[in-house]
Amino acid sequence: GQNIDQPTEMTATEGAIVQINCTYQTSGFNGLFWYQQHAGEAPTFLSYNVLDGLEEKGRFSSFLSRSKGYSYLLLKELQMKDSASYLCAVRDRSNDYKLSFGAGTTVTVRA
Amino acid sequence: DSGVTQTPKHLITATGQRVTLRCSPRSGDLSVYWYQQSLDQGLQFLIQYYNGEERAKGNILERFSAQQFPDLHSELNLSSLELGDSALYFCASSLTLGGEDTIYFGEGSWLTVV
Repeated sequence: GQNIDQPTEMTATEGAIVQINCTYQTSGFNGLFWYQQHAGEAPTFLSYNVLDGLEEKGRFSSFLSRSKGYSYLLLKELQMKDSASYLCAVRDRSNDYKLSFGAGTTVTVRA
Repeated sequence: DSGVTQTPKHLITATGQRVTLRCSPRSGDLSVYWYQQSLDQGLQFLIQYYNGEERAKGNILERFSAQQFPDLHSELNLSSLELGDSALYFCASSLTLGGEDTIYFGEGSWLTVV
């Protein structure tokens, strides 16, 4: 199975940077996803990492270290609309490519 | 709009009843996933289908069952409903099983058991 851990809550100021960490344990790593979810809405895809290193997409970047079982999502130039839950998810090829999610990190952006 | 369609959007039913949630995946997607999200909780994986066949299975209750039909739409059946089954049920789809295939989520079906 997979154990996926991420902080429960984070607060940051508009315009600042926030880094959300995610650690995981899996026997058949096949990729790590980050999703954004506003309350009561569907999760929306942000990023995908399968190789070590940094993937940058505009204000959002995601980093992966497979040897450490570690990823982070970096949100830059925070905007009020970035207040949401951020979900780390890991795909496991030893379990038919099941995608399991962490509990999510609620980010609150303050003016 | 992700292209994944779920019906109904909202459903209120009594304990002991049975409901069916329906999902149409994005055009061309072969994999369908079902997740449950209770209030203030994370996404709990229920079950996954690929091209009509059941693949990975999570902690899905015996009272719950699912199916993927030849036209690739899927249904999640919830029976003998209990108050604790009240949750947001998401369906998601992807092109295949692994790799870089992004998993897209529908808007969810809100189930309230009273």
